[in-house]
Amino acid sequence: GENVEQHPSTLSVQEGDSAVIKCTYSDSASNYFPWYKQELGKRPQLIIDIRSNVGEKKDQRIAVTLNKTAKHFSLHITETQPEDSAVYFCAASKGTGGFKTIFGAGTRLFVKA
Amino acid sequence: EAQVTQNPRYLITVTGKKLTVTCSQNMNHEYMSWYRQDPGLGLRQIYYSMNVEVTDKGDVPEGYKVSRKEKRNFPLILESPSPNQTSLYFCASSPRTRWIANTGELFFGEGSRLTVL
Repeated sequence: GENVEQHPSTLSVQEGDSAVIKCTYSDSASNYFPWYKQELGKRPQLIIDIRSNVGEKKDQRIAVTLNKTAKHFSLHITETQPEDSAVYFCAASKGTGGFKTIFGAGTRLFVKA
Repeated sequence: EAQVTQNPRYLITVTGKKLTVTCSQNMNHEYMSWYRQDPGLGLRQIYYSMNVEVTDKGDVPEGYKVSRKEKRNFPLILESPSPNQTSLYFCASSPRTRWIANTGELFFGEGSRLTVL
């Protein structure tokens, strides 16, 4: 069935370093790829998204890249700060046939001060 | 304030005792969805609804029911809860519609932590 694989499951970086989280999706019809951040005990919140007609999108310190051929997309966080510590989820969805959203298993990011 | 409201936030129940988790949104969104979150498994979609009286199964619908009689409400019903339904449940809504493919973020409620003994 459709699935989204996310790596790594845990990532620890030093404050100021960059962090990269990678996801691979199986359904080639997927055309929308959001990233959600979930702080401890809180609800997931969208931080950035990308559509299949775009290869890269940037918003301040975060960026997402998409490789449709490889069915692979990544989240890049530069100049990490302690408040970036959270669980990050990638997801993939498609419009045709319904609006199912498949999430990755999540990456727990620790930013050490 | 735009929000998605779930109730109850915490519930401990026993096997077989029917329960309903309510979800309400005030953003006039057509799309609503339920997810369960389990350690190591991320968020898995249970059911979703494109509009009033239109619902569809997600990836893990077994043991759950939903209804969408009004645009703002999307309750999740566990007819006969079992321990494997112990989880953290999130309701979400989105401005996405059938005519605008894959636009719009998911706005999540605060979550409902359910324990089935």
